Amino acid sequence: EAGVAQSPRYKIIEKRQSVAFWCNPISGHATLYWYQQILGQGPKLLIQFQNNGVVDDSQLPKDRFSAERLKGVDSTLKIQPAKLEDSAVYLCASSSVLAARQFFGPGTRLTVL
Amino acid sequence: AQSVTQPDIHITVSEGASLELRCNYSYGATPYLFWYVQSPGQGLQLLLKYFSGDTLVQGIKGFEAEFKRSQSSFNLRKPSVHWSDAAEYFCVRDQTGANNLFFGTGTRLTVIP
Repeated sequence: EAGVAQSPRYKIIEKRQSVAFWCNPISGHATLYWYQQILGQGPKLLIQFQNNGVVDDSQLPKDRFSAERLKGVDSTLKIQPAKLEDSAVYLCASSSVLAARQFFGPGTRLTVL
Repeated sequence: AQSVTQPDIHITVSEGASLELRCNYSYGATPYLFWYVQSPGQGLQLLLKYFSGDTLVQGIKGFEAEFKRSQSSFNLRKPSVHWSDAAEYFCVRDQTGANNLFFGTGTRLTVIP
């Protein structure tokens, strides 16, 4: 079974630029999550989708972050404009009702200069 | 708010020695607790989980954890550590029982020969 796919794996940008990350969950998983993991900390949930609807985006900085999952499968997370403090690993995870657990992708490491 | 605390930021053990990583959870109804491991360059991997029932939970890679309600703890143990166990370990709580995960700050494990 293929795992959660993310791209790119690494991204370096300058502050005020925009960036987008892509995630393809495990086939059949209705729930998709985006996390931000700052160096030395545990992952923090940014947004949770159930199919193509948002379940929880209370921790998403909506002035600069946006995410979509238009067809209920893959998802894109965008930052515009980026700030230095956005440097982190962005993790995508997916789950199903039967699985009762989350499966994580390898993450995208973002460096903002 | 319901959360988990990992009091040890960094632990160093000798290969072959026993290991115990501490985790305390805050007050709340039946907690759903997990331990995840994150190795350099790899995604988060689930070691074990506790929902209910037997308070001693067996996981992968020879790890186990014991849920102690009286101490609000869910410590991770391994009788004999291998060099490949060097990684970051996260204690995680499901906030709502619906896969809404809150991660502790993590404990970094170093294994010396």
